[in-house]
Amino acid sequence: QKEVEQDPGPLSVPEGAIVSLNCTYSNSAFQYFMWYRQYSRKGPELLMYTYSSGNKEDGRFTAQVDKSSKYISLFIRDSQPSDSATYLCAMSGGGFKTIFGAGTRLFVKA
Amino acid sequence: NAGVTQTPKFQVLKTGQSMTLQCAQDMNHEYMSWYRQDPGMGLRLIHYSVGAGITDQGEVPNGYNVSRSTTEDFPLRLLSAAPSQTSVYFCASSPDRLNSPLHFGNGTRLTVT
Repeated sequence: QKEVEQDPGPLSVPEGAIVSLNCTYSNSAFQYFMWYRQYSRKGPELLMYTYSSGNKEDGRFTAQVDKSSKYISLFIRDSQPSDSATYLCAMSGGGFKTIFGAGTRLFVKA
Repeated sequence: NAGVTQTPKFQVLKTGQSMTLQCAQDMNHEYMSWYRQDPGMGLRLIHYSVGAGITDQGEVPNGYNVSRSTTEDFPLRLLSAAPSQTSVYFCASSPDRLNSPLHFGNGTRLTVT
């Protein structure tokens, strides 16, 4: 079993849809949870960074962490074609270095 | 502020050749690391450094060497390239080893024939 599981997709949605991206993990020591966005032929860039359980909102993006279920989510409201990218979840803490999910490819159709 | 700069962007090697992938950051970050990204496998840590003169192995270190003589630079050396090393390589840095988000370069696409 991988430490972090993430559905690779691809996920295809129409413009304006609400997108839900998810990861599950197995190590209960993780405390810091991140979402990175990676455009084609570019490096990952940090999108959201949260500590412990709860929600964090930034514009159209909301990150949720449920440590009891070892489950994290990223919601994108009013999705745009410019949101088309690969989204990587990542987590760290408890003395463990950052571990990444394999990434979910998202396509938003105009 | 350039962030993390990687060179070259693309490289083709023959089996057995050696080369160095360059990485430089201008954010005065202590922690630097190298990842490889392969389809379906996510980012896997090759080597990392917590400061000048200090390096350590990550998850997939075989076939790669690193050194850290300055805070800014962290080159990755392929000793004798193999087709299994065909991948996209990313350098990343952060202020500390564990809890800060990583800043990535735009990668080097390496093909070994």
